[in-house]
Amino acid sequence: QKEVEQNSGPLSVPEGAIASLNCTYSDRGSQSFFWYRQYSGKSPELIMFIYSNGDKEDGRFTAQLNKASQYVSLLIRDSQPSDSATYLCAVSTGGFKTIFGAGTRLFVKA
Amino acid sequence: EPEVTQTPSHQVTQMGQEVILRCVPISNHLYFYWYRQILGQKVEFLVSFYNNEISEKSEIFDDQFSVERPDGSNFTLKIRSTKLEDSAMYFCASSEWGPSGSSYNEQFFGPGTRLTVL
Repeated sequence: QKEVEQNSGPLSVPEGAIASLNCTYSDRGSQSFFWYRQYSGKSPELIMFIYSNGDKEDGRFTAQLNKASQYVSLLIRDSQPSDSATYLCAVSTGGFKTIFGAGTRLFVKA
Repeated sequence: EPEVTQTPSHQVTQMGQEVILRCVPISNHLYFYWYRQILGQKVEFLVSFYNNEISEKSEIFDDQFSVERPDGSNFTLKIRSTKLEDSAMYFCASSEWGPSGSSYNEQFFGPGTRLTVL
């Protein structure tokens, strides 16, 4: 069974701090890795995707991928209260199916 | 900005009844997906659809489920005989491109239909 694991949280950080979210996956054949943000009662929204080992930065967000360790992370710099949401890690093995983790709840305290 | 739309926003049905959930993908998108999310649980892939046929489906997508693109704009998910455990949020998504090696095209999610089976 292919799994994507995340700490459910909640992760609480003060406004302006760096939030670090982590994810591990079980299928070594996984090729594409995604971070979605989901506000309560809303649909997932793609924040970042990454394919290659290393870091990928987009504004305040940095995704990090380590395929050898089967580990993906998301850093949010200068966290804002509006970043408070559930962050979903998702993985694809190259086909159409995307496997989601259960998500980490993030609270950014003003 | 173009968006995926879904109707209805909330559907209440009796166990054993058939339901059809409707989606209008973004107009130039060619790939369509259904996901479900049981309250408090993971988003789960159900099925993907391209060129008028299912391209991939999960083990959840059994004979009780079917998908259809009845015209040039709508994409539907039918559940033939609903069960209590079908109660969930159902998300439709669409993308302009499909998976291709290391590339990926963003899937845009609709707002969801909350299905409640009594």
